[in-house]
Amino acid sequence: NAGVTQTPKFRVLKTGQSMTLLCAQDMNHEYMYWYRQDPGMGLRLIHYSVGEGTTAKGEVPDGYNVSRLKKQNFLLGLESAAPSQTSVYFCASTALRIVNLLGYTFGSGTRLTVV
Amino acid sequence: SQQGEEDPQALSIQEGENATMNCSYKTSINNLQWYRQNSGRGLVHLILIRSNEREKHSGRLRVTLDTSKKSSSLLITASRAADTASYFCATFTFYNQGGKLIFGQGTELSVKP
Repeated sequence: NAGVTQTPKFRVLKTGQSMTLLCAQDMNHEYMYWYRQDPGMGLRLIHYSVGEGTTAKGEVPDGYNVSRLKKQNFLLGLESAAPSQTSVYFCASTALRIVNLLGYTFGSGTRLTVV
Repeated sequence: SQQGEEDPQALSIQEGENATMNCSYKTSINNLQWYRQNSGRGLVHLILIRSNEREKHSGRLRVTLDTSKKSSSLLITASRAADTASYFCATFTFYNQGGKLIFGQGTELSVKP
């Protein structure tokens, strides 16, 4: 099915461990985004990418790195996980030709707990 | 800080009543979008209104946009228990590096049967 796929869906990390979250889309979208959602905070933008090989910082980029080596994939890395990074992470994508016409497509989320 | 602020934070109504949620934002935008999120699920896009539009309809949804006041409202008519969810407004703006979609904190809607 066409859409945005996030892996893994759940993960528990120990403080200081590293991990990578994968977002994959099969809609040939140029724009891809990583958000985190915390209770009472809505969604906050971590990093985003407007095309293969490009990335930019969002509202809360500290502690995260990203890479967009292929157009269909957007990776979010935590180099040294902290309890403050416990959250639900969402990936989203859209295409430049529809960005002023249709909304973003979201993945189902990754629930990350750092202990 | 987040771009959008939503009001109210929580809303409880009876089935059949109308629900109105408001969103205010701070900077100029290209469009404003509304999303729904059911508990524990991802976000689903509901409706998009461009900065040069004032009102838009989609089924039981009506969205208005007032760029002079930097505010928008979402009206859900004849609400159903299935409308129970969190609703988020999000503003999209083009920048030199592309475009960003920034979310408000959301309104939690409860529709009682």
